[in-house]
Amino acid sequence: VQLVQSGADVKRPGASVKVACKASGYAFTGNFIHWVRQAPGQGLEWMGWMNPNSGGTIYSKKFEGRVTLTRDKSTTTAYMELTRLTSDDTAVYFCARGSGDFPPFGHWGQGTLVVVSS
Amino acid sequence: SYVLTQPPSVSVAPGHTAWMTCGGDKIGSNSVHWYQQKPGQAPVLVVHDDDDRPSGIPERFSGSNSGNTATLIINGVEAEDEAVYYCQVWDSSGDPVLFGGGTKLTVL
Repeated sequence: VQLVQSGADVKRPGASVKVACKASGYAFTGNFIHWVRQAPGQGLEWMGWMNPNSGGTIYSKKFEGRVTLTRDKSTTTAYMELTRLTSDDTAVYFCARGSGDFPPFGHWGQGTLVVVSS
Repeated sequence: SYVLTQPPSVSVAPGHTAWMTCGGDKIGSNSVHWYQQKPGQAPVLVVHDDDDRPSGIPERFSGSNSGNTATLIINGVEAEDEAVYYCQVWDSSGDPVLFGGGTKLTVL
């Protein structure tokens, strides 16, 4: 199992960012993909999950309205888009999956640093 | 909403035992998972479902969970165990995936 994420990005406040998570080594539609972020020097914060089979999603209340999780089954890639960025969104964003649909997360992407700065 | 409380730091000498706690209301009725995170790396699952170890995780890692406290135990701590450790549970009352604030383990 491998989850390989897109590279670091720098965005202006108010912009949007879309992070990719390329999955390989397993049946892409067989496990939910979760997204977790970590601000500099801070802890882990769950953002939501996406069912790659149906496209169904559940979002953390904190991010509802600003985050959208999608997928492309043809390229086995999951995406996390976050809109209306502020400096508080500067963080490393991880995709993760478990052995089933839910935690524990035994597989993680390497993380993608998103910096929001004017 | 449910809150998981971890001490910010724990220090232990090499070869000794480290206990890291995760407090939560009736956490003993939840399954608790523990992750190790070293600087600049993604978290690694070290204990799941209170006291099970994934394959490849050394036997010195174990866990317990009862009442209002879950505990990650590292027997015979080694220098490579220095990291931040996070507990995590499934919370049916709020956001379903909840992490504790993390404990930094320092190996003296």
